[in-house]
Amino acid sequence: NAGVMQNPRHLVRRRGQEARLRCSPMKGHSHVYWYRQLPEEGLKFMVYLQKENIIDESGMPKERFSAEFPKEGPSILRIQQVVRGDSAAYFCASSRYRGEVNTEAFFGQGTRLTVV
Amino acid sequence: QQPVQSPQAVILREGEDAVINCSSSKALYSVHWYRQKHGEAPVFLMILLKGGEQKGHEKISASFNEKKQQSSLYLTASQLSYSGTYFCGTEQGSGGSNYKLTFGKGTLLTVNP
Repeated sequence: NAGVMQNPRHLVRRRGQEARLRCSPMKGHSHVYWYRQLPEEGLKFMVYLQKENIIDESGMPKERFSAEFPKEGPSILRIQQVVRGDSAAYFCASSRYRGEVNTEAFFGQGTRLTVV
Repeated sequence: QQPVQSPQAVILREGEDAVINCSSSKALYSVHWYRQKHGEAPVFLMILLKGGEQKGHEKISASFNEKKQQSSLYLTASQLSYSGTYFCGTEQGSGGSNYKLTFGKGTLLTVNP
């Protein structure tokens, strides 16, 4: 059973370009979370999604950032017109439906975004 | 609401014990503990779902006091491999199926020989 898969592992973008980060949850997991982490800092919540629904996006900047989790395919975190301050590690985590046991969230290896 | 972790950092000698605390100002549904090594993904340690619940995994255990909205992670007879940053994640709410998992700022644990 493959774990949470994120790609790419490293992404370099010039200022003003778009960044697309992908996350495939573990098999059987219907909840996806995205977090941002700066060096030597904690995991900052960005958005919580279920299939085709955004449950909570309170941690995501209102502009330039968007996230989706379509019925088919991976969850996508999209950053438009990137700026240097967007440089960070972006982690995705997935978990099962809350009504089941073993609802721990498992993390992917992250995407390190560097904006030059 | 972000949980508060303490201490921010702790340095141990191999074989010593440590306690990491996590508290919230709001009612908690569950507490999750993770360890992250530098440059790697956070790794799940354990989840506590009920008030007063305790769990253990080898020499790492945790408790969850639902009434006090607190959880503690206990590391006994620490090993070099325990070094890393420990995060507590909390889910807030009292029912339903959707919970936001929010993490504290982390506790940096360094175990020296």
